[in-house]
Amino acid sequence: GAGVSQTPSNKVTEKGKYVELRCDPISGHTALYWYRQSLGQGPEFLIYFQGTGAADDSGLPNDRFFAVRPEGSVSTLKIQRTERGDSAVYLCASSADPRGEQYFGPGTRLTVT
Amino acid sequence: AQKVTQAQTENSVVEKEDVTLDCVYETRDTTYYLFWYKQPPSGELVFLIRRNSFDEQNEISGRYSWNFQKSTSSFNFTITASQVVDSAVYFCALSDDSSASKIIFGSGTRLSIRP
Repeated sequence: GAGVSQTPSNKVTEKGKYVELRCDPISGHTALYWYRQSLGQGPEFLIYFQGTGAADDSGLPNDRFFAVRPEGSVSTLKIQRTERGDSAVYLCASSADPRGEQYFGPGTRLTVT
Repeated sequence: AQKVTQAQTENSVVEKEDVTLDCVYETRDTTYYLFWYKQPPSGELVFLIRRNSFDEQNEISGRYSWNFQKSTSSFNFTITASQVVDSAVYFCALSDDSSASKIIFGSGTRLSIRP
């Protein structure tokens, strides 16, 4: 079946602009996760959804970052007033249950100029 | 606090050699999960294995094997008879019982298999 998909695959934006990154999880997966991976580093946890609600948002770096999952499927990560330090690959993952294996999407490479 | 350390940032071997990637973890929980993921040049993370803290049996899957040693807080990964297609960045990771859905990743080991 289809895996996790993320759009766009690449996004270039200017400092100060607003961006939205989209994640489509594997069908039927109730848990959805966002991670950020900077160059040469491992993924860093941002937020986890169980259904429509954010069960753990302890990894969001500041209030410029926000994520939603209004219908318990697709999720959008929103970044306001982007900064050059936000440049990274943003990864989405989903799992059938909160303790299950997490399956990752291909990521969105965000570049803030 | 949770922490995963992969001391080897890079490793390179000749094809058909065996190679072991080291992983050391820290957690205060008695119940936790350990993972290995592969990230090939294409960039997509591929799940390899998950072990829980109560199962110290070593695991073998084809050319891959994992050695879990609670006494040394290590979860090492060995590739036997390596192949060029094994070239990738490999991440060891940890989640514990108090935050089972949050995976903490190590910084990865870049493995190059030379023909």
